[in-house]
Amino acid sequence: EPEVTQTPSHQVTQMGQEVILRCVPISNHLYFYWYRQILGQKVEFLVSFYNNEISEKSEIFDDQFSVERPDGSNFTLKIRSTKLEDSAMYFCASSVTSGVSYEQYFGPGTRLTVT
Amino acid sequence: GQQVMQIPQYQHVQEGEDFTTYCNSSTTLSNIQWYKQRPGGHPVFLIQLVKSGEVKKQKRLTFQFGEAKKNSSLHITATQTTDVGTYFCAGPAYNTDKLIFGTGTRLQVFP
Repeated sequence: EPEVTQTPSHQVTQMGQEVILRCVPISNHLYFYWYRQILGQKVEFLVSFYNNEISEKSEIFDDQFSVERPDGSNFTLKIRSTKLEDSAMYFCASSVTSGVSYEQYFGPGTRLTVT
Repeated sequence: GQQVMQIPQYQHVQEGEDFTTYCNSSTTLSNIQWYKQRPGGHPVFLIQLVKSGEVKKQKRLTFQFGEAKKNSSLHITATQTTDVGTYFCAGPAYNTDKLIFGTGTRLQVFP
């Protein structure tokens, strides 16, 4: 069964450093998402991406964050200057069409630790 | 902004007992989705409900969408240790492409 993959599984970085989290969505899916989950808390929406542009973003997704689909398969989340409070699990998700009407497939996540 | 709350936050049950989690949205939802997250895992889609008053069953799991489309519930009959995890409801924010997750209910099942 096709699945969303994410790399790395764990990233440790120092405060102020840039990180890039990578995701490979399911190949025939058109909508892509990033969520984050602080340990023990709920899943929080960050951004949705369709047709090579952001379709929606949350208040969390400020100027420090950016997303890109650099080629036909990868979908990346960049955090320019990490803060301690960016430490969380970051999940990529994809859906075959309009995400809020169809199930979203989540990747295994990248655990980001900012020290 | 839109909020989606779930109760209870935690539930510990003996294997074989039933379990219910309730989900309440501050706004009317076009649909509601349920996800399960195993400890250390990622959210996995369980089901989507669209119609007012809709009830769907998946083996021992029964999902319900309220008449006003602002609340939902998940009921598990005769829990098993494989049911352990956190159950999240999620609904779309009005007129957006944003999925708002509920606060989650963590289920622990003791053998």
